[in-house]
Amino acid sequence: KQEVTQIPAALSVPEGENLVLNCSFTDSAIYNLQWFRQDPGKGLTSLLLIQSSQREQTSGRLNASLDKSSGRSTLYIAASQPGDSATYLCAVPPQMDSSYKLIFGSGTRLLVRP
Amino acid sequence: EAQVTQNPRYLITVTGKKLTVTCSQNMNHEYMSWYRQDPGLGLRQIYYSMNVEVTDKGDVPEGYKVSRKEKRNFPLILESPSPNQTSLYFCASSLSFIETQYFGPGTRLLVL
Repeated sequence: KQEVTQIPAALSVPEGENLVLNCSFTDSAIYNLQWFRQDPGKGLTSLLLIQSSQREQTSGRLNASLDKSSGRSTLYIAASQPGDSATYLCAVPPQMDSSYKLIFGSGTRLLVRP
Repeated sequence: EAQVTQNPRYLITVTGKKLTVTCSQNMNHEYMSWYRQDPGLGLRQIYYSMNVEVTDKGDVPEGYKVSRKEKRNFPLILESPSPNQTSLYFCASSLSFIETQYFGPGTRLLVL
């Protein structure tokens, strides 16, 4: 059964710092990996989708990497800003599962201090 | 604007009073899904619909019903709500379940 883990659960950094969020999954049979952002009391916003055949995907200050063999993905945020403060979730749609859903990690709550 | 809308955004109700949470998307997506989010339990899928002809249970379907009479709408129905259904509910849609999923703003439900 696929399990997705995110460490750390919370992170506080000063503005301007580059940072890395981690996501690990137990089964490498995935179609892709998606990173989402969730602001308090709001819905999830898709940030990046990285296909299982890709190693990296970039959008602005965000860069996601994927290493299927080790079951790991990282989300790199460059030059962090207070507006980046949110909870970041990773999720995978597993291949070897008869259900059609995303399996989410528990998230990393990020605070960027001015 | 491409979006997923949910109504209502906030709802307080009493045990046993039937309610419906609507979900609508304007992106012509085939796949739609409902999740609930609870502290310590994360996001869990309630029901999903691959298209208007295929709807099936997710991980926590007990106490919920859905319908997919048309592509754009996927309402979540609680026939007899109970306090353990107090939660934050999200609707999501995508071209297929392996494509980028777009989430609605959420519906916060309190069942007394």
